[in-house]
Amino acid sequence: GAGVSQTPSNKVTEKGKYVELRCDPISGHTALYWYRQSLGQGPEFLIYFQGTGAADDSGLPNDRFFAVRPEGSVSTLKIQRTERGDSAVYLCASSLIPAGANVLTFGAGSRLTVL
Amino acid sequence: AQKVTQAQTEISVVEKEDVTLDCVYETRDTTYYLFWYKQPPSGELVFLIRRNSFDEQNEISGRYSWNFQKSTSSFNFTITASQVVDSAVYFCALRRGSGNTPLVFGKGTRLSVIA
Repeated sequence: GAGVSQTPSNKVTEKGKYVELRCDPISGHTALYWYRQSLGQGPEFLIYFQGTGAADDSGLPNDRFFAVRPEGSVSTLKIQRTERGDSAVYLCASSLIPAGANVLTFGAGSRLTVL
Repeated sequence: AQKVTQAQTEISVVEKEDVTLDCVYETRDTTYYLFWYKQPPSGELVFLIRRNSFDEQNEISGRYSWNFQKSTSSFNFTITASQVVDSAVYFCALRRGSGNTPLVFGKGTRLSVIA
């Protein structure tokens, strides 16, 4: 697509539920990133994919968070047993390749609210 | 470890005033990249500029200019003759030049331009 697409744009769920957030990167971009942005904070890195594999998942806060990218394009961020502290905007970005100079193009984000 | 500090949390200016947003970074790498992103109320991060560590030449793009000084580890952003449409949160970010590493963001500066 022309830009990075994220769905849903808003998700409200109850504590303890399971949530999936989807990211559709720019066509041809091999690198895909997930960030989390809490209110009043900058984006914090969660995980990035090079192709189908997770090249760096050091930012995932705990084992309730998991992400996949089975065909090297669309990615899904999965959160199990959601907690109120998981409430944030989850941003997805993609770049042509993961090298340092490459510009990340971000989607509009998925706002997650855990009640 | 890499770190980006944006000491100004919020700035408010009157339209047509000039404003400078500060960014100080920390890294042990000799090769790295610095970025500025704009996040308008819609939420999508918009890329503004990228600068590599070997290019200290200042850059001007219309009303925007950037001052990169390695001696003080700063990469400041100036908006000349600010406009209401410049109101947004601005993020400075840093990335290593080698290896596949994530973009590290500062906490952002919220700029409000008042008519």
